[in-house]
Amino acid sequence: GQNIDQPTEMTATEGAIVQINCTYQTSGFNGLFWYQQHAGEAPTFLSYNVLDGLEEKGRFSSFLSRSKGYSYLLLKELQMKDSASYLCAVVDSNYQLIWGAGTKLIIKP
Amino acid sequence: GAVVSQHPSRVICKSGTSVKIECRSLDFQATTMFWYRQFPKQSLMLMATSNEGSKATYEQGVEKDKFLINHASLTLSTLTVTSAHPEDSSFYICSARAFRDNEQFFGPGTRLTVL
Repeated sequence: GQNIDQPTEMTATEGAIVQINCTYQTSGFNGLFWYQQHAGEAPTFLSYNVLDGLEEKGRFSSFLSRSKGYSYLLLKELQMKDSASYLCAVVDSNYQLIWGAGTKLIIKP
Repeated sequence: GAVVSQHPSRVICKSGTSVKIECRSLDFQATTMFWYRQFPKQSLMLMATSNEGSKATYEQGVEKDKFLINHASLTLSTLTVTSAHPEDSSFYICSARAFRDNEQFFGPGTRLTVL
């Protein structure tokens, strides 16, 4: 079967750095997305990786290793507004999105 | 960027009534649209996938006669919750994808409360 694993919840301090990991086992791979979702709102796009390596976008970076079935989202200079759920999703061989359960990130002052 | 709208954003209805939710891609043609449901503190659950002009593909456990999906044009899909009951109260989110594109663009969601 297809499986996406990410931690259920993480806690970090304002101004610090946090890394949210995602491992996947899917039938085929056509890219990996990270989305941010605040409570009561729809997900918003953060990043897309299809090749191995690190993609940096401001305070957020996303890394992919296809051979290891592994990705991480790195958030720097954490702000209180970064408190949200972070969803990892993989595009499989049928171009369907397979979703992880999401990681709830709690930022403390 | 691509914009997807949903209407209404909130709806409260009585048990037994039907509710229609619209999802529109405003600046691109969405060959595929997805309908998700999300219960409090849970992740997104894909309900169905619809391709323009064809019948929707429902996920296991989703009743197709209860959740009617119509994707009649490249910019509009509708989800009708028929004979809604309190357990159908949830956050319903649509997303849209253009042809040969991997990214899904999400609508803002519709919060349904069935009394």
